[in-house]
Amino acid sequence: AQKITQTQPGMFVQEKEAVTLDCTYDTSDPSYGLFWYKQPSSGEMIFLIYQGSYDQQNATEGRYSLNFQKARKSANLVISASQLGDSAMYFCAMREGGNYQLIWGAGTKLIIKP
Amino acid sequence: NAGVMQNPRHLVRRRGQEARLRCSPMKGHSHVYWYRQLPEEGLKFMVYLQKENIIDESGMPKERFSAEFPKEGPSILRIQQVVRGDSAAYFCASSLGTAANYGYTFGSGTRLTVV
Repeated sequence: AQKITQTQPGMFVQEKEAVTLDCTYDTSDPSYGLFWYKQPSSGEMIFLIYQGSYDQQNATEGRYSLNFQKARKSANLVISASQLGDSAMYFCAMREGGNYQLIWGAGTKLIIKP
Repeated sequence: NAGVMQNPRHLVRRRGQEARLRCSPMKGHSHVYWYRQLPEEGLKFMVYLQKENIIDESGMPKERFSAEFPKEGPSILRIQQVVRGDSAAYFCASSLGTAANYGYTFGSGTRLTVV
């Protein structure tokens, strides 16, 4: 079974609109961390935002926020006021408990239209 | 405060040659991880090292692949007798520790092309 599922292979969004990228996860460990990374066409992997399983509030970092719904096991990334530079692949990833491995989704390719 | 440094950025090797990928972790980070990314896919864990020790190499093919993180110098991922299927992006990451809230800092990756 997939541990991290990103159901949107690709998305087109108009510049300045908000965009939500979906991520659902599967774990039985009560302690886990969820991460979002951005990979632009240049190839580097850029950390965006982190949510811990025990965090009471949704994480926010500038224009990025994480819509964490623990009961539904979803951790969607919300980008407000999208910009052309947001065009990239976006990956959701998870670490379980003391496990050091990051488990990755297949990614969503986001294209921002001018 | 340099991040994780990987070199080379791009590496082209003929089938049968050796590929050597280097990674210098962030200052203060003693945990190093190597991941492989095939086209159109997420990253897959290969190996986890601390200084002079391989902690977990369960994601690394048993043959032709090896990794080290010596006391001095960068971590090295070595692929011997490369084949076309080794063509991928190889990412190195480092962290302060292994708790769930410790994120990784990734390098820019090495793109290996086997011709």
